[in-house]
Amino acid sequence: GEDVEQSLFLSVREGDSSVINCTYTDSSSTYLYWYKQEPGAGLQLLTYIFSNMDMKQDQRLTVLLNKKDKHLSLRIADTQTGDSAIYFCAENGDDKIIFGKGTRLHILP
Amino acid sequence: DTGVSQNPRHKITKRGQNVTFRCDPISEHNRLYWYRQTLGQGPEFLTYFQNEAQLEKSRLLSDRFSAERPKGSFSTLEIQRTEQGDSAMYLCASSLQRDTQAFFGQGTRLTVV
Repeated sequence: GEDVEQSLFLSVREGDSSVINCTYTDSSSTYLYWYKQEPGAGLQLLTYIFSNMDMKQDQRLTVLLNKKDKHLSLRIADTQTGDSAIYFCAENGDDKIIFGKGTRLHILP
Repeated sequence: DTGVSQNPRHKITKRGQNVTFRCDPISEHNRLYWYRQTLGQGPEFLTYFQNEAQLEKSRLLSDRFSAERPKGSFSTLEIQRTEQGDSAMYLCASSLQRDTQAFFGQGTRLTVV
């Protein structure tokens, strides 16, 4: 069945890079997504990558996709306090979007 | 277009009451999805529509839950005889078609007391 796994917690010092990892199971996924959710807020689409791409860069964000290993990562350069949130990895296999449980990113001063 | 709109934003109800939520998708988006999110979890798929047709329902959607999208535009999610376990954030999303980006609304937070 479809499943998306990601670590639940990550602590990073302000100014360092954050790397959030994710594995997924559905090889037919066309899109893979990263969503951001701040406390009490809705889901914000942060970035996405087509399954035929290896990498996508968007300002401070870099998404890497290893389709063979079904591994997706999100790198946030120069992490700021405003990056503190829960980050959800998601895939759009089988006509619906399947989410991981989310990685809570904690920024240390 | 202001994005996906959900109403109400918050709902507190007594156990056993019925509640109905509304979702207005981005105009011209054919697909509409409902998700539920509880504390510490990722959003869980409930059901989705292609235009007015409900194409899939999760086993999470008990027979107390019903969703409609009568004219292929807005959708409603009704929960009958609410239980405390129904307390969650209910999220709606829409996309233009299959395999395109989905955009989420702010959600309706339901508290059953």
